[in-house]
Amino acid sequence: QVQLQQWGAGLLKPSETLSLACSVSTGSFSGYDWSWIRQSPGKGLEWIGDINHFGDTNYNPSLKSRVTISLDRSKNQLSLNLKSVTAADTAVYYCAREVLWFRELLYQNHYYFDYWGQGTLVTVSS
Amino acid sequence: DIQMTQSPSSLSASVGDRVTITCRASQNINTYLNWYQQKPGKAPKLLIYAASTLQSGLPSRFSGGGSGTDFTLTISSLQPEDFATYFCQQSYSSPRTFGQGTRLEIK
Repeated sequence: QVQLQQWGAGLLKPSETLSLACSVSTGSFSGYDWSWIRQSPGKGLEWIGDINHFGDTNYNPSLKSRVTISLDRSKNQLSLNLKSVTAADTAVYYCAREVLWFRELLYQNHYYFDYWGQGTLVTVSS
Repeated sequence: DIQMTQSPSSLSASVGDRVTITCRASQNINTYLNWYQQKPGKAPKLLIYAASTLQSGLPSRFSGGGSGTDFTLTISSLQPEDFATYFCQQSYSSPRTFGQGTRLEIK
């Protein structure tokens, strides 16, 4: 059973940097992509970006200029930094594992989020 | 970005009812569609992937269907633990996008 445990600061002021971490219990990042996703009443579920075990990143264009996702293999840890936050960044933030499933019959690569962290509420307020 | 639209936004039903939730994509996404269940204060939980494949260990009363732009999630006989919010998500392209959710409430 894979467990993702998140932590980080829950209250920020505008213009500060959001920093969250996510520890992965299985001990290996190989074979999966690792995502950050956030959820707010106004925007619903929003994918922020991901990183694979090689360290290659892919970001949502809407946040790309402010986001950095990284991984530390020695600590089995995934990190999210989001700079210059505003009230619009107030949300519950999740880390999640994205799995690749190959549908052989149709020769298709399917991706889905199978394990999620517990979520971290981040509030941006002056 | 691919827009995902769910209907209805909320639904009231009784234990034992059969319910269907619909998800529509703004463009053809083949069968690159996943469904999640979320309960208050919890992270989403994967139910269905690739439009119709039930996640391991989950009850067979959950089923998914559709392809192209129109998809369904059906719960054949509602159980008390099924009252939650359901989301669809496309994995056809980046950025991944989600529907706005369908809240399933007890009648």
